[in-house]
Amino acid sequence: DGGITQSPKYLFRKEGQNVTLSCEQNLNHDAMYWYRQDPGQGLRLIYYSQIVNDFQKGDIAEGYSVSREKKESFPLTVTSAQKNPTAFYLCASSNGLAVTDTQYFGPGTRLTVL
Amino acid sequence: AQSVTQLDSHVSVSEGTPVLLRCNYSSSYSPSLFWYVQHPNKGLQLLLKYTSAATLVKGINGFEAEFKKSETSFHLTKPSAHMSDAAEYFCVVSETNDYKLSFGAGTTVTVRA
Repeated sequence: DGGITQSPKYLFRKEGQNVTLSCEQNLNHDAMYWYRQDPGQGLRLIYYSQIVNDFQKGDIAEGYSVSREKKESFPLTVTSAQKNPTAFYLCASSNGLAVTDTQYFGPGTRLTVL
Repeated sequence: AQSVTQLDSHVSVSEGTPVLLRCNYSSSYSPSLFWYVQHPNKGLQLLLKYTSAATLVKGINGFEAEFKKSETSFHLTKPSAHMSDAAEYFCVVSETNDYKLSFGAGTTVTVRA
């Protein structure tokens, strides 16, 4: 089956710790994205990557970092600098960055900071 | 600048009755518009999209939406609700030829038996 996998589904972290969220896709998509979702709000873009070894900040990149060493993988690190990291994190991918390139979403990771 | 407003945070319908989810947008350019659905603790799934072709767009699971430029609206409808339609729905806008999506706050749909 083609699709996007995110792991883990639930993640708990102590304040001051960095944590890395995994995102893998086997859709052969060039572009990948990370979004954050808070209760009662829509999604906000954290980072995106158009191709391997390239990525750009989105609207709320502060306190986050990413890497894109392989086409199929786009891990997100939530650092201790992120003031309010508790949220639902969604990864997405698409063929390209055009609006006609539908973004496909993974099942998400719910991060809770204790 | 682009933004989208979903006029109802929560909609409750009876099974078998019509569903209407309202969305207004603002965009400086010719927008592309989408509706996504999210079931609890799941990722988002694209229902339908408008990208400057026919103004009445048909999507999956019997949903459709009509783009009305004069009203800056993109309301989502379904003639007959099913229990499986209970979910959160997001209206999304993007400038033409741009990856950047602006999401509405979402409308939660409850379906009563």
